[in-house]
Amino acid sequence: DAKTTQPTSMDCAEGRAANLPCNHSTISGNEYVYWYRQIHSQGPQYIIHGLKNNETNEMASLIITEDRKSSTLILPHATLRDTAVYYCIVRPQGGSEKLVFGKGTKLTVNP
Amino acid sequence: GAVVSQHPSWVICKSGTSVKIECRSLDFQATTMFWYRQFPKQSLMLMATSNEGSKATYEQGVEKDKFLINHASLTLSTLTVTSAHPEDSSFYICSAVRASNSPLHFGNGTRLTVT
Repeated sequence: DAKTTQPTSMDCAEGRAANLPCNHSTISGNEYVYWYRQIHSQGPQYIIHGLKNNETNEMASLIITEDRKSSTLILPHATLRDTAVYYCIVRPQGGSEKLVFGKGTKLTVNP
Repeated sequence: GAVVSQHPSWVICKSGTSVKIECRSLDFQATTMFWYRQFPKQSLMLMATSNEGSKATYEQGVEKDKFLINHASLTLSTLTVTSAHPEDSSFYICSAVRASNSPLHFGNGTRLTVT
């Protein structure tokens, strides 16, 4: 079962920052937070992951709270092509490497 | 970045026939590959974990004799849907991992329609 909770849907204006929240209150000390997105009729695309510290790459930033019970994915300047379902997933370090997907957040970027 | 290729991207077959889907890691060796299935408006559901050179591990409720998985090399895993029926129509997606603790990378999926 998925160990994360995300809003079902969100809207964002084009050019503005999109902030997608995720609750993972039962996360263990050795579990990473991963974010993927799935554009309609395509396979999921890896975005970013982190353990404790905030992370940034060319696609997004990941902010993890100090207690690690929640995180926020930030798309700094959303475009129409960012419209997708965004999945927040916790994954153990080592051991089983599979990803268990929840229902995700459907982000719609509006012009 | 890591590339995972899936073939075919879509297939239509008649009920009772078998269909093979290929998943290749193009620029890395993948000791582990995963097969997922996704029905319309639902999330991805893990079907099985495929390890090179050994038998696949199936998730609960997935019939191993119906969904045959072969991982014969470090860059290729295949999923064969045997004796397909209309209820097997779905979006099948594979993924591969380069090394422990590295991200999974996904193929673009195969849309299977059984008539």
